[in-house]
Amino acid sequence: GENVEQHPSTLSVQEGDSAVIKCTYSDSASNYFPWYKQELGKGPQLIIDIRSNVGEKKDQRIAVTLNKTAKHFSLHITETQPEDSAVYFCAGGYQKVTFGTGTKLQVIP
Amino acid sequence: DAEITQSPRHKITETGRQVTLACHQTWNHNNMFWYRQDLGHGLRLIHYSYGVQDTNKGEVSDGYSVSRSNTEDLPLTLESAASSQTSVYFCASSLTGTRDEQFFGPGTRLTVL
Repeated sequence: GENVEQHPSTLSVQEGDSAVIKCTYSDSASNYFPWYKQELGKGPQLIIDIRSNVGEKKDQRIAVTLNKTAKHFSLHITETQPEDSAVYFCAGGYQKVTFGTGTKLQVIP
Repeated sequence: DAEITQSPRHKITETGRQVTLACHQTWNHNNMFWYRQDLGHGLRLIHYSYGVQDTNKGEVSDGYSVSRSNTEDLPLTLESAASSQTSVYFCASSLTGTRDEQFFGPGTRLTVL
């Protein structure tokens, strides 16, 4: 089955700086890569996703990039704000998605 | 507004007891999923269902079972609770499958003593 690895496990940035979270996947057939944000005490919530026919996707301060050849994808958050502090999960798959282990992002005011 | 709810939100039980966690969604989604979340492991799929009377095993299904008798509900049963099943459990639903946005419930924190 698919194996998704996520790095780093924790990330601290100053407010206003950028944050980058990276994931790799093992199954070359995977074609859907969502990113979820989980705030404390809540369930994960989709923030952005990308499909394998697209190399990059942006939504305001959030962007995802996908490199199918290298089998890795990344989440970029620019101009970070304290409300961006949360756990972020990448996921990938073909018929089912497999989640990464999560990155705890702390934005320091 | 449509939503997905889980109950109870917190549960403490003893080893060997049967436990059932409820999940109810009003999205009218065909697809429902159960995950467990543990530190260092992220979200791992336990069971999933693509419709009424359909159930499938995920990557960590041992010791768990589900049944789908209607569109709205997918209860998760731990047949004989073990300490290794102490975890936070999330239910999710989606319209077209796992390759589409999943809407997660608020989670159930289960402690097995």
